[in-house]
Amino acid sequence: EIVLTQSPGTLSLSPGERATLSCRASQFVSSSYLAWYQQRPGQAPRLLIYSASSRATGIPDRFSGSGSGTDFTLTISRLEPEDFALYYCQHYGSALWYTFGQGTNLEIK
Amino acid sequence: QVQLVESGGGVVQPGRSLRLSCAASGFTFSSYGMHWVRQAPGKGLEWVALIWYDGNIKYYRESVKGRFTISRDNSKNTLYLQMDSLSDEDTAVYYCARDGVSVFVPTPIKAFDVWGQGTMVTVSS
Repeated sequence: EIVLTQSPGTLSLSPGERATLSCRASQFVSSSYLAWYQQRPGQAPRLLIYSASSRATGIPDRFSGSGSGTDFTLTISRLEPEDFALYYCQHYGSALWYTFGQGTNLEIK
Repeated sequence: QVQLVESGGGVVQPGRSLRLSCAASGFTFSSYGMHWVRQAPGKGLEWVALIWYDGNIKYYRESVKGRFTISRDNSKNTLYLQMDSLSDEDTAVYYCARDGVSVFVPTPIKAFDVWGQGTMVTVSS
């Protein structure tokens, strides 16, 4: 089973700043199988990024994903108030096993 | 619009059973694999089970094998999760989610691209 470790656990920033969230895998992950989700308080997760760098439908272009191998990054270029939420990376199981990172809490500074 | 709506959650005693439902609308339900994902209070997301578009293939996380059964009725556009022998470790919000990969769609999305709002299951005596 691939383990995904997200860092930092909590990120405190102000609106307008740039956010960089990290997701590290315990072994090689094809970039085709790495996704990012946003979860606002009391809401269901929402797909942001799939295949490491493709934005899902309706996702603003301030969200971008990058990375390969074992290191992946979600970047939010200019934080809007609605962006403060929990973020999870996911290994979309190439072997029919699906794992999530433990999450990064993006909070207002 | 594309929508998933879960129901069936509630409070149940340890060792008892519960069946969750997930009603789909706005898309061709029978073309997509479907998942159940859960989230214990204050914890992260945990994949539970997958069923292929036609119901013929099913996969489960190890901790629920033999206790949970995923199924679907494509004529009713509904996904189910039968949960037996429940323990307090099963307490969580349960989400259904669509698998973005479909043999009928030319541009697969390798992720869970549509989620329901979730239904809470509390196992407590």
